[in-house]
Amino acid sequence: DAKTTQPPSMDCAEGRAANLPCNHSTISGNEYVYWYRQIHSQGPQYIIHGLKNNETNEMASLIITEDRKSSTLILPHATLRDTAVYYCIVRVPFRTGFQKLVFGTGTRLLVSP
Amino acid sequence: GAVVSQHPSWVICKSGTSVKIECRSLDFQATTMFWYRQFPKQSLMLMATSNEGSKATYEQGVEKDKFLINHASLTLSTLTVTSAHPEDSSFYICSARAPRTLNTEAFFGQGTRLTVV
Repeated sequence: DAKTTQPPSMDCAEGRAANLPCNHSTISGNEYVYWYRQIHSQGPQYIIHGLKNNETNEMASLIITEDRKSSTLILPHATLRDTAVYYCIVRVPFRTGFQKLVFGTGTRLLVSP
Repeated sequence: GAVVSQHPSWVICKSGTSVKIECRSLDFQATTMFWYRQFPKQSLMLMATSNEGSKATYEQGVEKDKFLINHASLTLSTLTVTSAHPEDSSFYICSARAPRTLNTEAFFGQGTRLTVV
């Protein structure tokens, strides 16, 4: 699986958009970008994933650059409950074969009032 | 949505005893489950991959005789920490591979905080 690089921490004001970057310069053509988050003392929660097109769901938007070497997770209106560690993971989907789900160090997002 | 339930949420045990943690997929069948360990302020570290009806695959450096994994049914995997010591105190998290029909890849349990005294 391709390695990812994320800033260790970010701050965001409540109500503002939180933009979390992820670099994955060695991503290969069949690898997707997945985002999970982990609120303190809980299990991780799936947020969104994409291959090359931008994606949006009720939680967030995912913007993937044209060369697919980086992506940005956008929380359009951050709330205090969005304070968590956000993990960007690049890998091929499970359905293509057996793989692991390995986490990097993630970005610790702190949303303040 | 699909739910993965871990039990117990927390446990305190004496050094030298064994502790069993259960991971259940509540409304779907999970042929593959993953077990992770997480120390304070660190990321999740994959310990092993559990496949229903077969032996677990352990990551390098994880003692298979100490961390016994059993995946006897499509909805239950168990992790037993044998002869626990204080250094085994950690947050243990399980994950189940989601059915192909769902948009996500994996669902996670709420975690089990183990404290060995």
